[in-house]
Amino acid sequence: QVQLVESGGGVVQPGRSLRLSCVASGFTFSSYTMHWVRQAPGRGLEWVAVISYDGSSKSYADSVKGRFPISRDNSKNTLFLQMNNLRAEDTALYYCGRSNSWNYFDYWGQGTLVTVSS
Amino acid sequence: DIQMTQSPSSLSASVGDRVTITCRASQDIRNDLGWFQQKPGKAPKRLIYGASSLQSGVPSRFSGSGSGTEFTLTISSLQAEDFATYYCLQFYSYPLTFGGGTKVDIK
Repeated sequence: QVQLVESGGGVVQPGRSLRLSCVASGFTFSSYTMHWVRQAPGRGLEWVAVISYDGSSKSYADSVKGRFPISRDNSKNTLFLQMNNLRAEDTALYYCGRSNSWNYFDYWGQGTLVTVSS
Repeated sequence: DIQMTQSPSSLSASVGDRVTITCRASQDIRNDLGWFQQKPGKAPKRLIYGASSLQSGVPSRFSGSGSGTEFTLTISSLQAEDFATYYCLQFYSYPLTFGGGTKVDIK
């Protein structure tokens, strides 16, 4: 069965860094485009970043562009989000999700919570 | 960027009611739209893909319609387990954008 398991969240001070991971299983990870989506406490869903199946193409929300590089290791079925220069407004539950062609976000992980606070 | 305007932002309904939620895109997105349900403390769950295709395992009381810029999610007869927040998502172009959400609660 398809599983996406996020980790790496925690409490961090503004300006510091954190690296999120998403380990995939139950499907051919290297065939799927992968995404990060976040949800601030009590707020709606916000798409964050995407990386193509082979890592050659990436795109970002304006709110994280230049701060949150996305990457993947297909040999380890793992997606990453390197979160640099964190701000209070980055506080959120971060989810990973998959897509290919027209099939977007049929599975979600449980999320990992990032809290940016001094 | 494509803006997704979802309405209403909240609604109160009773079990058995017919419920309709609308998403309007700021430009033509063909049928590149999905609907998601989220319950408190849980990850979102996809209900509809391609604007009108029902996700496997989702009850048939859920249906989606529309194309271009106007989309609708309909719950034909609201059940107790349907009280949740619903989101639309356009995947026509990046950045992907979600609607603001519709919270459905008990009248």
